Amino acid sequence: ETGVTQSPTHLIKTRGQQVTLRCSSQSGHNTVSWYQQALGQGPQFIFQYYREEENGRGNFPPRFSGLQFPNYSSELNVNALELDDSALYLCASSRTSGGYTDTQYFGPGTRLTVL
Amino acid sequence: AQSVTQLGSHVSVSEGALVLLRCNYSSSVPPYLFWYVQYPNQGLQLLLKYTSAATLVKGINGFEAEFKKSETSFHLTKPSAHMSDAAEYFCAVLNYGGSQGNLIFGKGTKLSVKP
Repeated sequence: ETGVTQSPTHLIKTRGQQVTLRCSSQSGHNTVSWYQQALGQGPQFIFQYYREEENGRGNFPPRFSGLQFPNYSSELNVNALELDDSALYLCASSRTSGGYTDTQYFGPGTRLTVL
Repeated sequence: AQSVTQLGSHVSVSEGALVLLRCNYSSSVPPYLFWYVQYPNQGLQLLLKYTSAATLVKGINGFEAEFKKSETSFHLTKPSAHMSDAAEYFCAVLNYGGSQGNLIFGKGTKLSVKP
């Protein structure tokens, strides 16, 4: 059974650019959540995808968007990058059934640096 | 609204000593609580979770946590620290009032283990 994988591992962009981060969920999981972890902070919830639709969103602007595919993998897109977007982006997969989301398992993260 | 507070951003113990990492929660509904560990430059690994069953929860690597409703606490303990326990530890509560369920994290406690 493969765990949650994320790509790329590291990424360097310049301010104003756009970036796409990818996540493959764990086998048997149908829900993907994305978190942003700034240096020295706990992870902050960006949004969650279930059945290919956004299923909840944290306090992040619309330039943060996402997709979920039929195989439950997911993408996080960030437009018009700002310096404060530099962070570790974590993807977590889980299984939702009967309106309840089970334990979230995290990938290794993508380290984004915005110059 | 739910939240967690981790007391102490940095805890240092000697190898073989008791590890105690503190977490207090605030929740208007019965909470689901988690402890995750993060090693340098890695994602989050689930240590243990409380989901309203037994109040004493045993996790991996010899860690355990006790849910105390009267104290709104969910402290993490390990009887004897090992050098490999040095990492950052995050307490989290499941926010299932909004989406299907996203995690709200504390700011983390960095554990150092001295030889």
